[in-house]
Amino acid sequence: NAGVTQTPKFRVLKTGQSMTLLCAQDMNHEYMYWYRQDPGMGLRLIHYSVGEGTTAKGEVPDGYNVSRLKKQNFLLGLESAAPSQTSVYFCASRQGAEAFFGQGTRLTVV
Amino acid sequence: KQEVTQIPAALSVPEGENLVLNCSFTDSAIYNLQWFRQDPGKGLTSLLLIQSSQREQTSGRLNASLDKSSGRSTLYIAASQPGDSATYLCAVTPITSGTYKYIFGTGTRLKVLA
Repeated sequence: NAGVTQTPKFRVLKTGQSMTLLCAQDMNHEYMYWYRQDPGMGLRLIHYSVGEGTTAKGEVPDGYNVSRLKKQNFLLGLESAAPSQTSVYFCASRQGAEAFFGQGTRLTVV
Repeated sequence: KQEVTQIPAALSVPEGENLVLNCSFTDSAIYNLQWFRQDPGKGLTSLLLIQSSQREQTSGRLNASLDKSSGRSTLYIAASQPGDSATYLCAVTPITSGTYKYIFGTGTRLKVLA
């Protein structure tokens, strides 16, 4: 049982480059989330989705876009990466009370 | 706006000690509270989930309590072991969120010394 899988696990980008982070869940959950984790700031919500075809902004959405074309996948895009987007990104899915998290993507923007 | 605070930010204890980690939140209107463990460079592992109607949950050496009226939760770890060394995060789901969004604390980094 895979749960929540994130790809890639590590990535280094140059300022201005673009990339897409993929989150896949095999639990048929409706809700999916993207968080970023920075030292001393905890996890902050970037975007979320309440079902296939839906997306909404979280606490820190600027500089990111998302898509949920299939229920099991939630994509996070960076159109023009900035050093301030250096962080660890976590995806989560949820159905009911409990959420399940992926292992994270460590992104460095130089 | 819901805020979640965890004190202390870091804790170092000798092996075998019983310890308590604290989590406080500003708005008692929550669906539930969840405790997670995060190992360095890893994702979050769920430890205990307490629904708003519950007072505590137990799993092995872990016991979590919830006092909604005072906006507090504690995670009790009995007979700590070096393998318990990790960062512990608490998160609440505000009722006002409507979409089951978590609000996280900044965590307590625990080190258990052998």
